[in-house]
Amino acid sequence: DAGVTQSPTHLIKTRGQQVTLRCSPKSGHDTVSWYQQALGQGPQFIFQYYEEEERQRGNFPDRFSGHQFPNYSSELNVNALLLGDSALYLCASSSLVGEQFFGPGTRLTVL
Amino acid sequence: AQSVTQPDIHITVSEGASLELRCNYSYGATPYLFWYVQSPGQGLQLLLKYFSGDTLVQGIKGFEAEFKRSQSSFNLRKPSVHWSDAAEYFCAVGLHNFGNEKLTFGTGTRLTIIP
Repeated sequence: DAGVTQSPTHLIKTRGQQVTLRCSPKSGHDTVSWYQQALGQGPQFIFQYYEEEERQRGNFPDRFSGHQFPNYSSELNVNALLLGDSALYLCASSSLVGEQFFGPGTRLTVL
Repeated sequence: AQSVTQPDIHITVSEGASLELRCNYSYGATPYLFWYVQSPGQGLQLLLKYFSGDTLVQGIKGFEAEFKRSQSSFNLRKPSVHWSDAAEYFCAVGLHNFGNEKLTFGTGTRLTIIP
């Protein structure tokens, strides 16, 4: 049983560019959440998707957007990248009720 | 808004010694409580969780945690640490659906094990 998978593992972009990160949830899970973890910090909640809709959102600007597909996989898009967007981006999946399981993350570096 | 405090940024423990990592939360009701571990460059692995009932919960890798409502604390313990326990530990709080929704994390405690 595969756990949560994320791609790519690492990514390097320049300021102003756009990036798309991908996540496949654990088998049997239908809810996907995204977190940003800056260096030396705890993860910060970005948003959560359920039934292809954004269900909950943290305190992140509109440059951060997402999508969930019918197979429950999800994408995180960040537009107009800033240096401060450099972080580890974690995807977590869960069922409608229950704890979240995290993927290995995508390390984004913005130059 | 709820918050989570991990007062110890870095802890160093000798291998075989006992360990306690502190976690305090701020919220009016009892939230769902979690401890996650993160090895360098890795994602988060769930160690244990508290939803309700017995205030002492057992987790994986020999870890346990005790919920104390009066102190708003959920401290993580292990009687004897192993070198492989060196990692970053995060306490997290969820408010709804047994942790299915937004989790609020502490800033983490980095654990170093010395021989």
